[in-house]
Amino acid sequence: GESVGLHLPTLSVQEGDNSIINCAYSNSASDYFIWYKQESGKGPQFIIDIRSNMDKRQGQRVTVLLNKTVKHLSLQIAATQPGDSAVYFCAEVMDSSYKLIFGSGTRLLVRP
Amino acid sequence: AAGVIQSPRHLIKEKRETATLKCYPIPRHDTVYWYQQGPGQDPQFLISFYEKMQSDKGSIPDRFSAQQFSDYHSELNMSSLELGDSALYFCASTSGTGKESPLHFGNGTRLTVT
Repeated sequence: GESVGLHLPTLSVQEGDNSIINCAYSNSASDYFIWYKQESGKGPQFIIDIRSNMDKRQGQRVTVLLNKTVKHLSLQIAATQPGDSAVYFCAEVMDSSYKLIFGSGTRLLVRP
Repeated sequence: AAGVIQSPRHLIKEKRETATLKCYPIPRHDTVYWYQQGPGQDPQFLISFYEKMQSDKGSIPDRFSAQQFSDYHSELNMSSLELGDSALYFCASTSGTGKESPLHFGNGTRLTVT
């Protein structure tokens, strides 16, 4: 199917290297943040989340860092694999619901 | 495990026609969100429902309406379609009104307006 994010910034990494994807969010009142992975023809898939009272959270091969001072999020993927190739979005939430505000996506390409 | 089901996967309509997109949430999920993702864009929140009642509204045009039925499935009705309505439309479901339960997205309906 048609690729999502035809004009998105692209990060190209070698398989096995670590990847860092950055995101600037818009609202200092946001208290919850989520990283999503979106493969072509599919919906966003949850990767990891973090609440505003934390500055770091680790998952399996992924780490999210939150810098509230500069309203910046990053997603670190360790030992990047070909299956990690996708578009990655950060999303912020200001209230108690899932009314998500998505940031601009980044396309991750993993070179074999 | 059952996921969020959206139908149809692809839909082609002409300008000024109407379209109906359907969303079947994960069993026992009572909350549905609709998002629109234009080409090369990030998803934008349209509208949400909890227990068959509209719970929040985002950037949804007046030409669009939606509802959630007694079996918790939801339909997005789009009238007087415009070229700019061409996009991926995602439905997502969760349980409850908060964020205690994860949000699960369907694989979307791709609407093309010609």
